[in-house]
Parts: sequence; C-alpha cells; structure tokens
Amino acid sequence: NAGVTQTPKFRVLKTGQSMTLLCAQDMNHEYMYWYRQDPGMGLRLIHYSVGEGTTAKGEVPDGYNVSRLKKQNFLLGLESAAPSQTSVYFCASSKGGTDQPQHFGDGTRLSIL
Amino acid sequence: GENVEQHPSTLSVQEGDSAVIKCTYSDSASNYFPWYKQELGKGPQLIIDIRSNVGEKKDQRIAVTLNKTAKHFSLHITETQPEDSAVYFCAASTGTASKLTFGTGTRLQVTL
Repeated sequence: NAGVTQTPKFRVLKTGQSMTLLCAQDMNHEYMYWYRQDPGMGLRLIHYSVGEGTTAKGEVPDGYNVSRLKKQNFLLGLESAAPSQTSVYFCASSKGGTDQPQHFGDGTRLSIL
Repeated sequence: GENVEQHPSTLSVQEGDSAVIKCTYSDSASNYFPWYKQELGKGPQLIIDIRSNVGEKKDQRIAVTLNKTAKHFSLHITETQPEDSAVYFCAASTGTASKLTFGTGTRLQVTL
C-alpha cells in the first residue's frame, strides 16, 4: 500500500497564479486533512473533510479552497497565489472518530515568487 | 481553541542517554495525544499515542506519560541512538473530527 500520496512534490509559482495540490489515500479512510508547515510554527490545519462531499475550515483557511469529490482524494486549491503561501503542505488521513491517528504524506514544497 | 506548547525547541544528547520532551495543552476536552517524528524531507510519522483514559504507554524504547490534571504530557526516549535524530512533534486532538493542534517541534540530535 502506498498510504498517502501527494503530488506534486515541488512547485514554484509566480504571484497571482493558481494551482491545485492533490492528495490520494488508499486506506479507505473517512477523514482527510490539509496542513501547512512553516519554520518554528509546527503544522497548522487549513481545511479538513469528514467524508466524501464534505469540507470544513481549519485554523488558517484564508486563500485556500478544497474539494472532496471522491473518498480517496482531497484537493487543495490556491486561486491567486501569494508569497505568504510559500510553505510545505502536508495531507493526512484517518479512519474517523475522536481518537484515531492521522497518517501523513511526504508533503509538497511550494514556493511563490 | 486548543493551544499546545512544546519544550525544549532543541535537545542534544549523547548516544545511550535518555531524552525527554514535554508538552502542555489548554483544552481540557482534548482526549487524544499523538507524537510524531519527522525526518528531513519527509512527512510526520506517528511513533506513539495515548488516549485520555490512560496515564502511561510504552513501546520498546519510547514511552509517553499523560497528566490530565496538570494538562501536560511527555515523550521519553531511552537508550538513544543516532537514528533517533529528527524533529519530534506533540499534538492534541479535540472534537469529533479529530483535528490536531501541534506543538512547535523539538529538534533532537543524538551525538556519538
């Protein structure tokens, strides 16, 4: 099993460009999450989904949109990229419930010039 | 919302010594506390977790303790090895969606 797969691994954008980050999981997990990781700040939750067709805002949702059209996929979109969105983005998934571990992908390193 | 503080931010130990990382949380409703290890260029990997109905859990050289009254939990690594060198994150989970609030990380360096 691949677990959680994120594509692309690296990307450089210019300010104002748009792009979509893809997360795919093969564990039949109900819940999926998008985090960003910045130096000295740990991981912060952007958006999450508790099932196919549902999404909700996390701690830092501004400037991002998400979609969960299929259970195994969770997409993160940047409509108009800004330098402040330069970060490493991680996707995670879990079985669901109140105390289940989250399994992470290896991240997408995004630079916005 | 939940706030998780983690100390120290860096920790250097000699091979074979023990390492302790401490975290505090603010929301008494938090009920799940995982610890993740992150190596360079990789995603966080779960190494151990503890639920709020348990005070201590051990897995070989790694142990976690939880004090619900004081709202703090700690990671203990014994007999450290060079491959333990990494960044460690604590987290606390609250609510039905199991949203995690992370600490800011501890960079552990195990020297020979």
